[in-house]
Amino acid sequence: KQEVTQIPAALSVPEGENLVLNCSFTDSAIYNLQWFRQDPGKGLTSLLLIQSSQREQTSGRLNASLDKSSGRSTLYIAASQPGDSATYLCAVHIRGSEKLVFGKGTKLTVNP
Amino acid sequence: GAVVSQHPSWVICKSGTSVKIECRSLDFQATTMFWYRQFPKQSLMLMATSNEGSKATYEQGVEKDKFLINHASLTLSTLTVTSAHPEDSSFYICSARGVQNSPLHFGNGTRLTVT
Repeated sequence: KQEVTQIPAALSVPEGENLVLNCSFTDSAIYNLQWFRQDPGKGLTSLLLIQSSQREQTSGRLNASLDKSSGRSTLYIAASQPGDSATYLCAVHIRGSEKLVFGKGTKLTVNP
Repeated sequence: GAVVSQHPSWVICKSGTSVKIECRSLDFQATTMFWYRQFPKQSLMLMATSNEGSKATYEQGVEKDKFLINHASLTLSTLTVTSAHPEDSSFYICSARGVQNSPLHFGNGTRLTVT
């Protein structure tokens, strides 16, 4: 059974700091891994999607890496801003099914 | 970009009543829709997968007679929580995609509170 773990559960940083969010998964049989942002009481916004054959993806100040063999992904946020405050969710798409398995998320607070 | 509209965004109902949540794809045909539930400080858990014109496939532990899913058209799926109880209070989110392996798009969720 695929399990996704995100560390830390919460993170508070001053504005401008670079930071790393971690995601680990137990089964490497995945199609892809996605990072989402969720604002309080809202749905999900897709940030980055990494196919199983890829090592990383970049979008603006965000960079996500994937090491499928070790079951790990990181989301790197450069020069953090208060507007980055949200919960960041990692999800893996299980190979052979439609299913996305989510972690519990990391709640990020960027202080001005 | 593709948009999924979910309605209502929040609802309060009394125990024993039924609540219907709608999920619409606004600018693409949603072959498959997914319904998730998220309890506070927990991860999103898939409840069921529905394909247009077919019966939904429910995840283990989700009561199909309690959570009725209808996906009668390529742009609309509904989730009806029947005889709701306080323990059904949660955040329900739908997602939709077009053809297989195309990107998933999420609705903004519905906060259900059962009193």
